[in-house]
Amino acid sequence: GAVVSQHPSRVICKSGTSVKIECRSLDFQATTMFWYRQFPKKSLMLMATSNEGSKATYEQGVEKDKFLINHASLTLSTLTVTSAHPEDSSFYICSASLVGELFFGEGSRLTVL
Amino acid sequence: AQTVTQSQPEMSVQEAETVTLSCTYDTSESDYYLFWYKQPPSRQMILVIRQEAYKQQNATENRFSVNFQKAAKSFSLKISDSQLGDAAMYFCAYRGHHAGNNRKLIWGLGTSLAVNP
Repeated sequence: GAVVSQHPSRVICKSGTSVKIECRSLDFQATTMFWYRQFPKKSLMLMATSNEGSKATYEQGVEKDKFLINHASLTLSTLTVTSAHPEDSSFYICSASLVGELFFGEGSRLTVL
Repeated sequence: AQTVTQSQPEMSVQEAETVTLSCTYDTSESDYYLFWYKQPPSRQMILVIRQEAYKQQNATENRFSVNFQKAAKSFSLKISDSQLGDAAMYFCAYRGHHAGNNRKLIWGLGTSLAVNP
């Protein structure tokens, strides 16, 4: 099956710094990737839809200047959390769409001190 | 707008028994997909089963099967012969058929399933 790899799986950073999370489709080309945020024991909250070669579409309430998404190639999308604050600590998950089905990365646990 | 409702925040089942997780949805579309995803403690989302709305036959995947009632907009998941490894959060999700890859999933709030030895 299709494999999506997310890196890093865990990251700890200081408040005010920026963190980049990568999402790669390993064995297929993904024109569309989705970025989610998940709070403990909660459902997935869609942050943005990332399309290769174009600007991401952000969901209402998501700060596009804080959560920078780049989808520069058909196999890589990145999420950069800029000027991170403790309230940005969360579990971030990416997924890639292939023939109408979503394949998920392993997720990235971000802790901002 | 489409919505997905999972009315059971938590469920438990004895090992080797059968459990059914409920999911209802609301949509005005006639063509769509429904999914059940499993999220174990590792947090990796795993597709359990998928159902196309135009198919009347209920999808089955080994010990997992669904009861898809299109008129009632119900999509329950039955897990037979429950195993300890089935313990996880289970999410029901909806996706419209049209507009290709850009159509996002609509998620339920999830059901936490515990399997008792």
